[in-house]
Amino acid sequence: AQSVSQHNHHVILSEAASLELGCNYSYGGTVNLFWYVQYPGQHLQLLLKYFSGDPLVKGIKGFEAEFIKSKFSFNLRKPSVQWSDTAEYFCAVLSYNTDKLIFGTGTRLQVFP
Amino acid sequence: DADVTQTPRNRITKTGKRIMLECSQTKGHDRMYWYRQDPGLGLRLIYYSFDVKDINKGEISDGYSVSRQAQAKFSLSLESAIPNQTALYFCATSDSSRSGNNEQFFGPGTRLTVL
Repeated sequence: AQSVSQHNHHVILSEAASLELGCNYSYGGTVNLFWYVQYPGQHLQLLLKYFSGDPLVKGIKGFEAEFIKSKFSFNLRKPSVQWSDTAEYFCAVLSYNTDKLIFGTGTRLQVFP
Repeated sequence: DADVTQTPRNRITKTGKRIMLECSQTKGHDRMYWYRQDPGLGLRLIYYSFDVKDINKGEISDGYSVSRQAQAKFSLSLESAIPNQTALYFCATSDSSRSGNNEQFFGPGTRLTVL
């Protein structure tokens, strides 16, 4: 069965620190990859997505992610986090075969000033 | 204006009660989904519908039913609510005509508490 693993469950950083959140998936076919963010008390918002082409994807608010097909990974990065980045981050994978979106369990990020 | 709306936004109910959560969308999308979010478990798919006459079970459909009343409306029902159905419920939509770009768009969520 398809699955998505987010290895970091809770990350605590100071402002200006660099961020990398891991995401690995188990599926060998063609996939679409997403990172969603959920700010406290709010709904899911799309941060960035990969469908095809350049494996380095840039999203909103300075976030980027790199798709490494050989490693089945789609890690999220930001060079310098801000207090306003405090949120929960979800990686999600959609396979062309099933057309279902599978979510990871989420990573809670806390950024302190 | 919100493209995907959910009502109610919050609901507290008692064990055994019937509850309906509603989702409406103005995006013109043909596909709609219901997820529940639990702490530490991420979002899990309950039901999905690829068009008005198509309803499919997701990974956790037990205890739930759905109705696709129109392309724009997709309701989730708990026939007899139980405490472990306390969760945040999200509706989502996507457009099958956008081949290779089937991003899902989420509603604001319904927080359901079953006492």
